[in-house]
This record gives sequence, C-alpha cells and structure tokens, in this order.
Amino acid sequence: DTGVSQDPRHKITKRGQNVTFRCDPISEHNRLYWYRQTLGQGPEFLTYFQNEAQLEKSRLLSDRFSAERPKGSFSTLEIQRTEQGDSAMYLCASSAIQGPYEQYFGPGTRLTVT
Amino acid sequence: GEDVEQSLFLSVREGDSSVINCTYTDSSSTYLYWYKQEPGAGLQLLTYIFSNMDMKQDQRLTVLLNKKDKHLSLRIADTQTGDSAIYFCAETLNQAGTALIFGKGTTLSVSS
Repeated sequence: DTGVSQDPRHKITKRGQNVTFRCDPISEHNRLYWYRQTLGQGPEFLTYFQNEAQLEKSRLLSDRFSAERPKGSFSTLEIQRTEQGDSAMYLCASSAIQGPYEQYFGPGTRLTVT
Repeated sequence: GEDVEQSLFLSVREGDSSVINCTYTDSSSTYLYWYKQEPGAGLQLLTYIFSNMDMKQDQRLTVLLNKKDKHLSLRIADTQTGDSAIYFCAETLNQAGTALIFGKGTTLSVSS
C-alpha cells in the first residue's frame, strides 16, 4: 500500500472560484478525515466519513464547503466561492474502524486564494 | 471545551535527550498521539498511548502519561539532527476515536 494520496498538491485560485480536492485513503481503511492547517497552527478537524456516510462535521465547515465519499473509497472536498481566508493546507487522513484508530495523513493540498 | 497546549519551541544538542510536553483537557480521550511534521510535509504518526497506560516505549521514543494531571510527554533519546521538526500532540475528541484535537506544535531544533 502506498499510503494516503492527495491531488493536487498545490492549487492557486482567484477569489470567488470553486476548487475541488481529492483524497485516496489507505485501501483497507473505512474511515476518512479532512483537516485544515494554517501557518503556525495544528491541524483542525473539518469532517469525517465512515465508509460512504459523513458522520461528523465541524462548525468550521461552512456552507461553502462540501465533502463526499460516494463509494466509500476516495473522497472529494469542494470549496465554493473561495475567499482569501480559505488559504491553508488541506490534509486528508484515514484510519481503521477499531482502536487505536491511528490516523495516517496524506501530504496535503496547499490552497492559495489570491 | 477541548484544548491541547504545548510549549512552542525546544532547542537541544545532538546526542542529548529531548522532552516535549503537552497538556490536554478531555478526560474521556481514550488515545493520545504524537505526530511529527517536517517542513512542507504531511504529518507522520510517531506513536500513541492508550489512556489506561502510564508509559510506552518504542525504540528511541518514550511516552509518559499522567492522567490525573492530564499531562503527556514525549522523550526522544539520543536526539539527532534528523529529528528537527514540529511535533504535535493530539487527543481523540471522543471514545469512538474520530476527530483529533491537535496542539499548536512544538518546534524541535537540534544543533550539532
């Protein structure tokens, strides 16, 4: 297994545009998580899926953000009408459904909104 | 609410031991984790400890947990320049082990 992969690694977009990121988890992992990390901060939880069901969303996830995991494998995170404050590193992680719930992270997608 | 606190910076000399400290708030956390992040990279899981344990050792890494004081520490023995990175402490938001709450990270600088 090659681990968690994310695409693209970098994205530069203009304010107001929509962007979509993709995450491919470790194949045997049922759970998939999205986090956001800004400079000098630790990652902040956004949402997570167990198989195809989105079970939890943070209050950080505004209406402009939507995530899907249609077949319980890869996931997409879409940001509509991007704002400069959305500039951050978007991290995806996956884990098994049993303890110790070790979350393995991908390399991240760095979003810059100009 | 949930909060994880870490000191922001630690500087050590190569060959010394490093101790990175963390305090957490959620006593229901079942697992606590340490991650390492190198510049421009994602997070690498280093180790974890179950909440009913006091200590866990994994090669050069020793994790100590004081559940009464909600204090977690990571000791790195024989610190090397390759250990220079940001280290994050994280706790699970609930007993189902879903969302992780991270500290702001401790930047470890190792000089030769």
